Amino acid sequence: SSELTQDPAVSVALGQTVRITCQGDSLRSYYASWYQQKPGQAPVLVIYGKNNRPSGIPDRFSGSSSGNTASLTITGAQAEDEADYYCNSRDSSGNLHVVFGGGTKLTVL
Amino acid sequence: QVQLQESGPGLVKPSQTLSLTCTVSGGSISSGGYYWSWIRQHPGKGLEWIGYIYYSGSTYYNPSLKSRVTISVDTSKNQFSLKLSSVTAADTAVYYCARVVAAKKSEIQFDYWGQGTLVTVSS
Repeated sequence: SSELTQDPAVSVALGQTVRITCQGDSLRSYYASWYQQKPGQAPVLVIYGKNNRPSGIPDRFSGSSSGNTASLTITGAQAEDEADYYCNSRDSSGNLHVVFGGGTKLTVL
Repeated sequence: QVQLQESGPGLVKPSQTLSLTCTVSGGSISSGGYYWSWIRQHPGKGLEWIGYIYYSGSTYYNPSLKSRVTISVDTSKNQFSLKLSSVTAADTAVYYCARVVAAKKSEIQFDYWGQGTLVTVSS
C-alpha cells in the first residue's frame, strides 16, 4: 500500500494563483488525478493524466508533476473554486489498487 | 452522458451486512473499457476507495476492507453492487459509486460519480 499526503488547508486571494500539492511514492510512477468536491456534492474530476481536463472544466485548472509530488494549479482563482480538493493515483505496489490523498480545503479570500 | 445512481437502505444495524446497488444509465457496463467502483466518505473526512470490478467479474479491493467486502456485477440489469459485512458505527459514511478509467497503466481516474448515499450504522 501507499499514501498520498496533502496540506489540510490552503487559501488564496480572489484572482490570484494557488498551487495544491500531493506527495507520495506512487507519484514517482503514476500520474495523479484531481477532484473538486463542494459541500453536499459528489466529487468532480478536474485534472487527470499528465495534464488533461475533462470537458467543461475551466482552463484555469492545470496539473503538473515532479518526483514524488503532483500539483494542481488554479490560475486566477474564482469564488466558485472554494472547495475540497483530492488527489488520487494507482497504488505503488502495482496491484491495481487505488489510493486517495486526505484532501485540501481551499478558501478563496 | 453516463449517470450512476446508488440505492439501498440508509440505516443498517451493527453486525449486519450493508448492501448497496449502483444503477448505470447512458452506457453499458458490459461494453468494457471501464472498471466500476465504490468509494466512501466518513462524515467530515476524506475519500476512501473500497474496491472496483470489471464487467467480467474481476475484482480489486482495498486491503483494509478486503475481508468484509464483496463487489458484484449484474450486466443484464446494468448494475453493480456492494456488500460490506459485520458493520460497525465506523462504517457510517456516504457511499459513492463511480466509473473508473484505467486504460493507461500510468494513471487512473474516476470520471463519473453517483450523487452518494448516506448509510448510518446504528441499532
